[in-house]
Amino acid sequence: GAGVSQSPSNKVTEKGKDVELRCDPISGHTALYWYRQSLGQGLEFLIYFQGNSAPDKSGLPSDRFSAERTGGSVSTLTIQRTQQEDSAVYLCASSRTSGKNIQYFGAGTRLSVL
Amino acid sequence: SQQGEEDPQALSIQEGENATMNCSYKTSINNLQWYRQNSGRGLVHLILIRSNEREKHSGRLRVTLDTSKKSSSLLITASRAADTASYFCATDAGGSSNTGKLIFGQGTTLQVKP
Repeated sequence: GAGVSQSPSNKVTEKGKDVELRCDPISGHTALYWYRQSLGQGLEFLIYFQGNSAPDKSGLPSDRFSAERTGGSVSTLTIQRTQQEDSAVYLCASSRTSGKNIQYFGAGTRLSVL
Repeated sequence: SQQGEEDPQALSIQEGENATMNCSYKTSINNLQWYRQNSGRGLVHLILIRSNEREKHSGRLRVTLDTSKKSSSLLITASRAADTASYFCATDAGGSSNTGKLIFGQGTTLQVKP
C-alpha cells in the first residue's frame, strides 16, 4: 500500500507569510506525528495525534504553529507569519497505534523562508 | 531538549569494514529504535529493541541495549557503499502512558567508501 505522503515537497515563502503543509498518513494508522529537522540536526518533536484524543502539542515552538487532523486521517501543519528560523524539513510520520509501534515517515516538506 | 546523544557524529570507513555507532539517553524507556535517513529526507525504520532485551539482530545489523548505562549501539557488518546515510537512535518517553512520541539523537553520518 501507499506510504506516508507529504505535500508540497518543497516550499519557498517570504518572511511573514503563512504556509500550510499537508500529510496523508498510511491508511488505517491512528497515530500521526509531526517533527521538524533543521539543517544537520536531529528531529524535534512538534505535535502528536491519536484517534479522537486531544493532540499532544507540547513540542510546538510558538503559537504561530498549529496543526489539525480532519476525520482522523489527513493532517495540516500551519505556520503563521513565517520567520527565517522556521526554515527546516518538516517530517510527518504515522503508526498503527501509539506506544511501541514503528513510525513510518514521509519524505518531508523542505520549507525555506526568505 | 534531545534525549539521545550519538557518537561519533561522523564516521568514514571502507566498504567491507564494520561500522559501530553509539547512542546514549537520559531517562527510562520502553524501547529504543534505530532509523536511517538518506539525503536529509524521510527516515526508514531499521530495528526496535525493547527495554527487556539486550541484543537484537536483523540481517547485517546488530543492536545492543544496556539499560544500566542508558546506552545502545548499532553495528553494521560488512558495510556497503549503499549504507552511506545518517543513522539516528530514537527513544520513547517511557512509562505506562507512553504516547509513542519519539525523542531523537543528533545522528551519526556514515560514509562508506567503495
